[in-house]
Amino acid sequence: SAVISQKPSRDICQRGTSLTIQCQVDSQVTMMFWYRQQPGQSLTLIATANQGSEATYESGFVIDKFPISRPNLTFSTLTVSNMSPEDSSIYLCSVEDIWGNTEAFFGQGTRLTVV
Amino acid sequence: SQKIEQNSEALNIQEGKTATLTCNYTNYSPAYLQWYRQDPGRGPVFLLLIRENEKEKRKERLKVTFDTTLKQSLFHITASQPADSATYLCALGDDKIIFGKGTRLHILP
Repeated sequence: SAVISQKPSRDICQRGTSLTIQCQVDSQVTMMFWYRQQPGQSLTLIATANQGSEATYESGFVIDKFPISRPNLTFSTLTVSNMSPEDSSIYLCSVEDIWGNTEAFFGQGTRLTVV
Repeated sequence: SQKIEQNSEALNIQEGKTATLTCNYTNYSPAYLQWYRQDPGRGPVFLLLIRENEKEKRKERLKVTFDTTLKQSLFHITASQPADSATYLCALGDDKIIFGKGTRLHILP
């Protein structure tokens, strides 16, 4: 299994500002993912964080709005840029099981409120 | 487009009874299907995975079925307990994982 530490756990931000969320894993993993979970909605994949190359973004998400870093195999950051109230959501970091069982492990999430 | 449907209404089950949650999907042929539990303010926690060539999987009080013809999975919790109250997410996997909205389950003492 993998233990994921995500911070901050919550934040209240002013519109127009940016917030960087950190995700630290206790073991080296190939695949790291960033999800958004809006109230009453399913988890939506924002992007796959690739080590050594640019992140791969899903439809509807762009690098300018959600820049991602992946400097090594245990750490990634997601920045939510130029925030608006519509960005209020829970953001979750996830990794896949390192043994190839395709089980996903999640951080506890970052609850973001934009005012 | 790919679509996953789970019971949108909350499910109330009496303690000790079997809770059954449904996951239906369309426009997708997943290699595997997963169920997760999510408690308020927490990230999802993996429960069970069932592959496309498997009909049923069990783990303690949990049982999952997977019917690729019906494009449906059923998730059962037997001898349910109030501690089983949570939101349960269905997820389909191939090259990436897609999640349903989840079903809120309340086990009534």
